[in-house]
Amino acid sequence: QVQLVESGGGVVQPGRSLRLSCVASGFTFSTYAMHWVRQAPGKGLEWVVVISYDGSNKYYADSVKGRFTISRDNSKNTLYLQMNSLRAEDTAVYFCAREDPDSAWYELDYWGQGTLLTVSS
Amino acid sequence: DIQMTQSPSSLSASVGDRVTITCRASQSISRHLNWYQQKPGEAPKLLIYAASTLQSGVPSRFSGSGSGTDYTLTISSLQPGDFASYYCQQSYSTPSTFGPGTKVDVK
Repeated sequence: QVQLVESGGGVVQPGRSLRLSCVASGFTFSTYAMHWVRQAPGKGLEWVVVISYDGSNKYYADSVKGRFTISRDNSKNTLYLQMNSLRAEDTAVYFCAREDPDSAWYELDYWGQGTLLTVSS
Repeated sequence: DIQMTQSPSSLSASVGDRVTITCRASQSISRHLNWYQQKPGEAPKLLIYAASTLQSGVPSRFSGSGSGTDYTLTISSLQPGDFASYYCQQSYSTPSTFGPGTKVDVK
């Protein structure tokens, strides 16, 4: 069955860096575009970034552009999110999600359980 | 960027009620509208994509409709497991954007 398992969250001071990982299983990871979506405590969902199936295309939300970098290692079935210059407003649960490649509608059909990042001094 | 709004932001309902949630985009999104359900402490779950297509395994009491800028999620007969938050998402253009959510709780 499809599984997405995020890790790497924790408590980090403002201005520092952290890398999140998302390990995929149960499907051919290398054929799916992947997204990161975040949710601040008690708030709604915020789309963060998408990477194409081969890593050649990446699009970022303005709120993270220039600070966050998405990447993937298809040989390891793993998605990454490198987060630099972290701010208090980056505090959130970070979900990875896959985009259905067989659909022309770009919906996110499976999500991981999320990993919590807290940015605080 | 396309802005998404949802109404109401919350509603109270009883088991068996018919529930309708609306979502509006700031410009036409040509039915690239998806609905997700999220329960506390859980990941979002895809319910409907392309405005009206039910995701596999989702009960038929959920339905979606709409076109252009205006979309609706309807739960025909609310069940105990349906008390949750619901989010719309436009996938018409990048950046994708979510609505602010609608929380459905027990009356």
